[in-house]
Amino acid sequence: AQSVTQPDIHITVSEGASLELRCNYSYGATPYLFWYVQSPGQGLQLLLKYFSGDTLVQGIKGFEAEFKRSQSSFNLRKPSVHWSDAAEYFCAVGGSSGGTSYGKLTFGQGTILTVHP
Amino acid sequence: ETGVTQSPTHLIKTRGQQVTLRCSSQSGHNTVSWYQQALGQGPQFIFQYYREEENGRGNFPPRFSGLQFPNYSSELNVNALELDDSALYLCASSAGQGNSPLHFGNGTRLTVT
Repeated sequence: AQSVTQPDIHITVSEGASLELRCNYSYGATPYLFWYVQSPGQGLQLLLKYFSGDTLVQGIKGFEAEFKRSQSSFNLRKPSVHWSDAAEYFCAVGGSSGGTSYGKLTFGQGTILTVHP
Repeated sequence: ETGVTQSPTHLIKTRGQQVTLRCSSQSGHNTVSWYQQALGQGPQFIFQYYREEENGRGNFPPRFSGLQFPNYSSELNVNALELDDSALYLCASSAGQGNSPLHFGNGTRLTVT
């Protein structure tokens, strides 16, 4: 069974500081990995995705994530956080085996990011 | 391009009632997935529809059912509502291929009293 763990429920950083959100996954085959962001009362917006190839993935809003197979991790990073980055961030794993796996993502519990001025 | 739209945005129902939530998929997408997001939790997969047929289901009871129409829009129906069904229900569409990410709507907030 696939699973995602986001160890940090809540992270607080100062504006301009660097950010790293942790994500560990469990999946029996080659995973598809995603980071989504959710503002209060809103749906999920895709930040970036990893399917294959280069393990360092660039996304929108200056975010990047690195896939480390040996550590089963897909941590999200940003060199300088802006106040508008305050939101909840979700890591998700999906299937690469096709068929019903395409739409079935398993999400972590989320990490709430607070940004201090 | 038009994104994923869901209706209604908010809904209040009484325990035991039935509810129907609607979703219009993004243009060009033929696959729709539904997720339930309880307060403080990550979304949980309910089921997926591809070409009008259920094509994968999560750990939800049969009182959660759905439909997909020829234009790829979709409905989620929940019968015999329980208090624990209170949640944000998210619809997501995709092009139905392994490397096609999900695009989510803003969700329907369902409150069961």
